[in-house]
Amino acid sequence: AQTVTQSQPEMSVQEAETVTLSCTYDTSESNYYLFWYKQPPSRQMILVIRQEAYKQQNATENRFSVNFQKAAKSFSLKISDSQLGDTAMYFCALRINTGKLIFGQGTTLQVKP
Amino acid sequence: DGGITQSPKYLFRKEGQNVTLSCEQNLNHDAMYWYRQDPGQGLRLIYYSQIVNDFQKGDIAEGYSVSREKKESFPLTVTSAQKNPTAFYLCATSGGALGADTQYFGPGTRLTVL
Repeated sequence: AQTVTQSQPEMSVQEAETVTLSCTYDTSESNYYLFWYKQPPSRQMILVIRQEAYKQQNATENRFSVNFQKAAKSFSLKISDSQLGDTAMYFCALRINTGKLIFGQGTTLQVKP
Repeated sequence: DGGITQSPKYLFRKEGQNVTLSCEQNLNHDAMYWYRQDPGQGLRLIYYSQIVNDFQKGDIAEGYSVSREKKESFPLTVTSAQKNPTAFYLCATSGGALGADTQYFGPGTRLTVL
């Protein structure tokens, strides 16, 4: 079975500081993709970052980067220089070869001024 | 204006009624998906379609139906057989420059059963 687990239901961080959100997953497939999506209060799901499993280099998008540990099946998201606009629910997702996305339960991040 | 549109934004349904949620895209993406989100939860896949005139059940298809007669459109009907339809519904598409592996989401429809 394919599963995605986010063990931190809620987190908070001070503005301008760095925060790391955790995600672990399980799949028997060798080729897959991992994503982090952000869902602000508007509830629009916004793609933050994607990682292809066959690439060893960790993906980076501006202030967002991942730590992809394939053997440990871990995919954490680091947000640097946190901004008030980063306040949102963050979802980790696994794409398997049928095209399906499997989502974790989400982590609510509050950035405090 | 390009992208994925969902309508209506809010929808109220009386028990026993069927309702249809609209999803339209002008991104020329081949694949389209419907997800359901319950409060404080992740998304669960209802149906998906990878090409016109073809679709597959997702993990929670019971009580829902879809059609894919045009590439641009993938409407979802919530039937009276769906026992607990109150939820937030999100449509997604994939394709284009990043290929089929990345899904992009519409703004969603909040359905409430009265």
